[in-house]
Amino acid sequence: GENVEQHPSTLSVQEGDSAVIKCTYSDSASNYFPWYKQELGKRPQLIIDIRSNVGEKKDQRIAVTLNKTAKHFSLHITETQPEDSAVYFCAASRGGTSYGKLTFGQGTILTVHP
Amino acid sequence: GEEVAQTPKHLVRGEGQKAKLYCAPIKGHSYVFWYQQVLKNEFKFLISFQNENVFDETGMPKERFSAKCLPNSPCSLEIQATKLEDSAVYFCASSQSGGAVDYGYTFGSGTRLTVV
Repeated sequence: GENVEQHPSTLSVQEGDSAVIKCTYSDSASNYFPWYKQELGKRPQLIIDIRSNVGEKKDQRIAVTLNKTAKHFSLHITETQPEDSAVYFCAASRGGTSYGKLTFGQGTILTVHP
Repeated sequence: GEEVAQTPKHLVRGEGQKAKLYCAPIKGHSYVFWYQQVLKNEFKFLISFQNENVFDETGMPKERFSAKCLPNSPCSLEIQATKLEDSAVYFCASSQSGGAVDYGYTFGSGTRLTVV
């Protein structure tokens, strides 16, 4: 089955700096890659996603890049703010009998210091 | 409504007792997914439904876990004879026809199960 590895497990930055979180996946049939933000005690919230037919997607301060050949994708947050502090999860999904099922990475605890 | 409603928010059970969790998907969403998030944050897929039919149950520990989605009722996840390692937050998510790839998920707020 699919395996998603996420790094780093913790990331500490100063307000205004950029943060980058990287994920690799094992299943070349995966075609959907969402990123979730989870605050303490809350539900995961989708912040951005990318499908396998594009290499990059941007939404204000957040961008995701995908390299299908290397089977890795990354989340980039620019101009970080203290409210960006949370746990971030990458995930991967494919079609077929696993349609809709997400395999999550291990999570990255991001701390943005004022 | 536009929220996935999970009940109860918290559940405490003694080891060996039964636990039953409920999830009402967003109206019009055909797919329901259950995930277990343990203390180390990792999400484990348990089971998915397409309407009332099991779609993918590859993550279910079948000997003690069962789940149902019946028409006109909330979906349920039941754990018979709970064990300490079942302590986790259980999230339900729903999506429109087409699954996560086409429309994305909406997660419920989760049920925190504590087995003592």
